[in-house]
Amino acid sequence: KQEVTQIPAALSVPEGENLVLNCSFTDSAIYNLQWFRQDPGKGLTSLLLIQSSQREQTSGRLNASLDKSSGRSTLYIAASQPGDSATYLCAVLHSGAGSYQLTFGKGTKLSVIP
Amino acid sequence: GAGVSQSPSNKVTEKGKDVELRCDPISGHTALYWYRQSLGQGLEFLIYFQGNSAPDKSGLPSDRFSAERTGGSVSTLTIQRTQQEDSAVYLCASRKTGGTEAFFGQGTRLTVV
Repeated sequence: KQEVTQIPAALSVPEGENLVLNCSFTDSAIYNLQWFRQDPGKGLTSLLLIQSSQREQTSGRLNASLDKSSGRSTLYIAASQPGDSATYLCAVLHSGAGSYQLTFGKGTKLSVIP
Repeated sequence: GAGVSQSPSNKVTEKGKDVELRCDPISGHTALYWYRQSLGQGLEFLIYFQGNSAPDKSGLPSDRFSAERTGGSVSTLTIQRTQQEDSAVYLCASRKTGGTEAFFGQGTRLTVV
């Protein structure tokens, strides 16, 4: 059974710092890994998608890496801003029960202090 | 449409009543997921539809929960005889076929009183 773990569960940093969020998964047979952002009381916003054949993806101040063989991904946020405060979730798309399952970690709650 | 649309955005219901939650996926997306997120918790998988294939219902917590997807587009999640523990945000997501990006709606916040 695929399990996704995110560490740390919560993180507080001063504005301007660079930071790294971690995601690990137990079964390396994935199709892709996706990072999401969730603001309080809202749905999930897709940030970055990394296909299983890729090593990293970048969007603006965000960079996500994937090491499929070791079951790890990191989300790097450069020059953090108070508007980055949110919960960050990673999810892997994989086969399971005859379907494409999308399994989530429990998220990292990020607070960026002005 | 431009994105995944869910309705209603908020629903308050009395214990024991039935509720229906609606999801309109992005046009052309063949895969559709329902998740539940209880307060302060992670996302709990409920059900997955892929085209005309039989849905993966392995995440439905009890037989009070059911879902349909008519014509491969709109989906309805029905909860019968609601209980207080059903209170949560119900999220819907859709994808194109294959290993593609998932997009989520804004969710329906269900409160059972």
